[in-house]
Amino acid sequence: AAGVIQSPRHLIKEKRETATLKCYPIPRHDTVYWYQQGPGQDPQFLISFYEKMQSDKGSIPDRFSAQQFSDYHSELNMSSLELGDSALYFCASSFLASGVRGDTQYFGPGTRLTVL
Amino acid sequence: KQEVTQIPAALSVPEGENLVLNCSFTDSAIYNLQWFRQDPGKGLTSLLLIQSSQREQTSGRLNASLDKSSGRSTLYIAASQPGDSATYLCAVRPDSNYQLIWGAGTKLIIKP
Repeated sequence: AAGVIQSPRHLIKEKRETATLKCYPIPRHDTVYWYQQGPGQDPQFLISFYEKMQSDKGSIPDRFSAQQFSDYHSELNMSSLELGDSALYFCASSFLASGVRGDTQYFGPGTRLTVL
Repeated sequence: KQEVTQIPAALSVPEGENLVLNCSFTDSAIYNLQWFRQDPGKGLTSLLLIQSSQREQTSGRLNASLDKSSGRSTLYIAASQPGDSATYLCAVRPDSNYQLIWGAGTKLIIKP
């Protein structure tokens, strides 16, 4: 079965540069979530989109922005990168419109961002 | 503010043992609770999801229970195998939004 696809899998950037992470949800899924997991830490929710509209916002820095496109893929744009942004960034998708069982979030493999 | 705690932080047991991982949360106003597995440096695999109206869910050798009123969930692993070695995380979804709030995980090592 198709899973959540994230690209790139690894990314190395310098401080103050920008980065764009992409997420392709499971086909037919209508909701995308972004999480950040720092080294040795639990994941922290950043932002989510349902049907291309922002549905919830967590601890996402103002330097970051995200959107969901008409084909339901999502991009997380990160500017003025800082050393502390080095982390594993996960994208998850779910099919909320399917009802209660659609609430399960399926996670992609993550993008490992290293800021030097 | 919802807080999720997992005990123990690490656990090492011989192969074949049955074991229980614990997850507690401070606010009982949850929509559901999900257990995940994470291998080192890898992604998250959803194991079981329990809706707030449910008491337990089972998948193969895994059984997760939920006591919403007391703010507790347990993940029971039967007949553990070395391949079960991973970090197990629980996450709750509050009633009020879609985001998941995570515990710090239990690092499980199954010794052959």
